[in-house]
Amino acid sequence: QSVLTQPPSVSGAPGQRVTISCTGRSSNIGAGYDVNWYQQLPRTAPKLLIYVDSNRPSGVPDRFSGSKSGTSASLAITGLQAEDEADYYCQSYDSSLSGWVFGGGTKLTVL
Amino acid sequence: QVQLQESGPGLVKPSETLSLTCTVSGGSISNYYWSWIRQPPGKGLEWIGYIHYRVSTKYTSSLKSRVTISLDTSKNQFSLKLSSVTAADTAVYYCARVDSMVRGVTQYYFDSWGQGTLVTVSS
Repeated sequence: QSVLTQPPSVSGAPGQRVTISCTGRSSNIGAGYDVNWYQQLPRTAPKLLIYVDSNRPSGVPDRFSGSKSGTSASLAITGLQAEDEADYYCQSYDSSLSGWVFGGGTKLTVL
Repeated sequence: QVQLQESGPGLVKPSETLSLTCTVSGGSISNYYWSWIRQPPGKGLEWIGYIHYRVSTKYTSSLKSRVTISLDTSKNQFSLKLSSVTAADTAVYYCARVDSMVRGVTQYYFDSWGQGTLVTVSS
């Protein structure tokens, strides 16, 4: 049971917009700790996708965006492409655990 | 562009100690936090701990009694030791650099990752 809750799977057709939610609690996202998102393509290491809620590292397309409100955060992907098919993880800091925590991951399928 | 590479045995016997090293190239190991993260087969990511050459170490509570992370600045490497391993410790182990941004409080994120190394615990 992950501290941050993500839907196990989401799907969308090419060109569509999908969102992935990340639900936390008062000891992590709700306490103001920022959320980071990682993309893990099949059989590869995770890659930083969004940092500190809504910032994109150099090279990440602006089709990817992050937001946060209350105890939840969201990753939005617009103009879905086949190459976006991957697992996505949210991550934050939890003050009650005194450590960094990940969501359980969401598998994105491009139909 | 910093690069990280994990190395170590791919097979460890139950009750023994898992030992991995992460070699950092393209940048100094000083002035950053460095972490280990693992991923059991078919499962999600679990943060193990971090080290900083000035601030010392911090470990996740569930592994704290068995984990040691150390740093060798002369070799630009940091290492992971996990004692008394069981089959539940079978996972891909990643090393990662931790970068930060100050926004009110300092926020941290894993900005560079090694390719990962699979460690299987089996007799």
